[in-house]
Amino acid sequence: DQQVKQNSPSLSVQEGRISILNCDYTNSMFDYFLWYKKYPAEGPTFLISISSIKDKNEDGRFTVFLNKSAKHLSLHIVPSQPGDSAVYFCAASARTGANNLFFGTGTRLTVIP
Amino acid sequence: ETGVTQTPRHLVMGMTNKKSLKCEQHLGHNAMYWYKQSAKKPLELMFVYNFKEQTENNSVPSRFSPECPNSSHLFLHLHTLQPEDSALYLCASSLAGGSDEQYFGPGTRLTVT
Repeated sequence: DQQVKQNSPSLSVQEGRISILNCDYTNSMFDYFLWYKKYPAEGPTFLISISSIKDKNEDGRFTVFLNKSAKHLSLHIVPSQPGDSAVYFCAASARTGANNLFFGTGTRLTVIP
Repeated sequence: ETGVTQTPRHLVMGMTNKKSLKCEQHLGHNAMYWYKQSAKKPLELMFVYNFKEQTENNSVPSRFSPECPNSSHLFLHLHTLQPEDSALYLCASSLAGGSDEQYFGPGTRLTVT
């Protein structure tokens, strides 16, 4: 059973507007969450992360929000740029355990110029 | 050469063939990983190596055989594969085993005919 879920396979956003990508998880042992970005013909690249002791982490145009009670996290990109068009993967790990990463299926973001 | 490299980038093989995938990291990391990505599925962790020792085998069939001769190189030996093994195979590395931020190679697109 999938422990990390991204229920939206795709998202289209106008350039300059906000992109919100969502991720849900089921394992309450997860305490570290990451977002990866993947362009075609390339491997995923690390984007931003958040520890469970925080509920928000910001890095430039990218902000990740964590709602532990809902087992939900989201990635906000604002303002969205055409170069942000890619597949975004949510991942989670349990640092107290083997600490391996569990990935979602990804959301394809298209930013329309 | 920097980062994580993988060869070949594309591979077509018959079910009776034997082939190997190669991964090399130039980041000074101590842990390396093999992932499988099938269409519409999340990345599936296959194997983890820490300091050349295999620490995780995620119930992978024996037709996939990993080899880690040193911390910089990782191989995946393939033999008598099935068509359902066709997928993108991604290699990753991290500073330590089960570490948070993994750096991915571009992947090998494998097609089994």
